[in-house]
Amino acid sequence: DGGITQSPKYLFRKEGQNVTLSCEQNLNHDAMYWYRQDPGQGLRLIYYSQIVNDFQKGDIAEGYSVSREKKESFPLTVTSAQKNPTAFYLCASLTQGENIQYFGAGTRLSVL
Amino acid sequence: GEDVEQSLFLSVREGDSSVINCTYTDSSSTYLYWYKQEPGAGLQLLTYIFSNMDMKQDQRLTVLLNKKDKHLSLRIADTQTGDSAIYFCAESGGSGGYQKVTFGTGTKLQVIP
Repeated sequence: DGGITQSPKYLFRKEGQNVTLSCEQNLNHDAMYWYRQDPGQGLRLIYYSQIVNDFQKGDIAEGYSVSREKKESFPLTVTSAQKNPTAFYLCASLTQGENIQYFGAGTRLSVL
Repeated sequence: GEDVEQSLFLSVREGDSSVINCTYTDSSSTYLYWYKQEPGAGLQLLTYIFSNMDMKQDQRLTVLLNKKDKHLSLRIADTQTGDSAIYFCAESGGSGGYQKVTFGTGTKLQVIP
């Protein structure tokens, strides 16, 4: 069953803590994306990666970091420098031929 | 930069048609998309249209594109309570290998039984 798996579904962060959100895909897609969704706002791009070992900042990269060591995996770390991390985080992947982004089910991050 | 705008809320009665509208600014858009998001879930692609098309129909869904006015609409025929969700309009275009996708703020569709 092909798709994008995000984990955990819910995550809580303590003050000063770094947390990592997982995103795995078995669609053999080259490009992967992380978005942040806040109520009443669209999706804002945090980071994207077009190929293994390469990634680029999106519109709101400050306070976040990523890695792309494997094609299937694109984890996002929310660092302590991100002062307002409470949001719904969505991971997506894309295959160039179709130009369609497919999304995971999301991770809701809250601050304790 | 690119911008995609949608109204925030639409309420319809079950069985009626729903029309969700979207405007965009990027004249070089190549693809335009409609996604559906149910509460607490990710985005599900409903349909998409190439920028050289005017219309696309898929069962209860009809997409209309007016490229001159940069206006996209999604019509849902015979709207059901299960259609209640947030609908996102999105457009993509870009140079090089990167397809930047710009999303609207989403339109929350409420279907009244």
